[in-house]
Amino acid sequence: GNSVTQMEGPVTLSEEAFLTINCTYTATGYPSLFWYVQYPGEGLQLLLKATKADDKGSNKGFEATYRKETTSFHLEKGSVQVSDSAVYFCALRPGGYQKVTFGTGTKLQVIP
Amino acid sequence: SAVISQKPSRDICQRGTSLTIQCQVDSQVTMMFWYRQQPGQSLTLIATANQGSEATYESGFVIDKFPISRPNLTFSTLTVSNMSPEDSSIYLCSVEFDGLRTEAFFGQGTRLTVV
Repeated sequence: GNSVTQMEGPVTLSEEAFLTINCTYTATGYPSLFWYVQYPGEGLQLLLKATKADDKGSNKGFEATYRKETTSFHLEKGSVQVSDSAVYFCALRPGGYQKVTFGTGTKLQVIP
Repeated sequence: SAVISQKPSRDICQRGTSLTIQCQVDSQVTMMFWYRQQPGQSLTLIATANQGSEATYESGFVIDKFPISRPNLTFSTLTVSNMSPEDSSIYLCSVEFDGLRTEAFFGQGTRLTVV
């Protein structure tokens, strides 16, 4: 079946540090891949996405590259801010009528 | 894309009572889901809300506890029945457009506290 594995948190970084949150997946075919962000007290928002191999999704300084050879979609940001403190979910959606599958989420805390 | 309005945004309820959460979408969608997110935890799928038929529940969730209605392609409700403190969670409505590999869209969530 389909599954998403992401690194466990919480991840604590100082402001302006480099961020990597690892995400690997298992799926048949060529799924679309997503990163969602959940700020405290809010629902999930789409942060970025990639729909085919070697695509790079980017938004708000965050990037992730769809690596089919390693079945990975790691989230990166060169310089985090306190306002980036949130929970980040990696997710995939295969083709056809299958629904989105979510990882367990990684909590990021950025300290001044 | 889809804009989802979910209400109430939060509520504090007495144990033994029930709360109905509403989810309104600005466009017709086939796939609509209800999730639970317990404090500090990830998302757990409760059920798929099917238009015109009974919802499809995931393992560990039953209709008597979480009855769901889906009267049309833009609206659904989730009721949390006979609540206990263990039901304190965020409940999230989500929609997806079928036949495409596009993202899921979420409401803002309902933060429920049972006392």
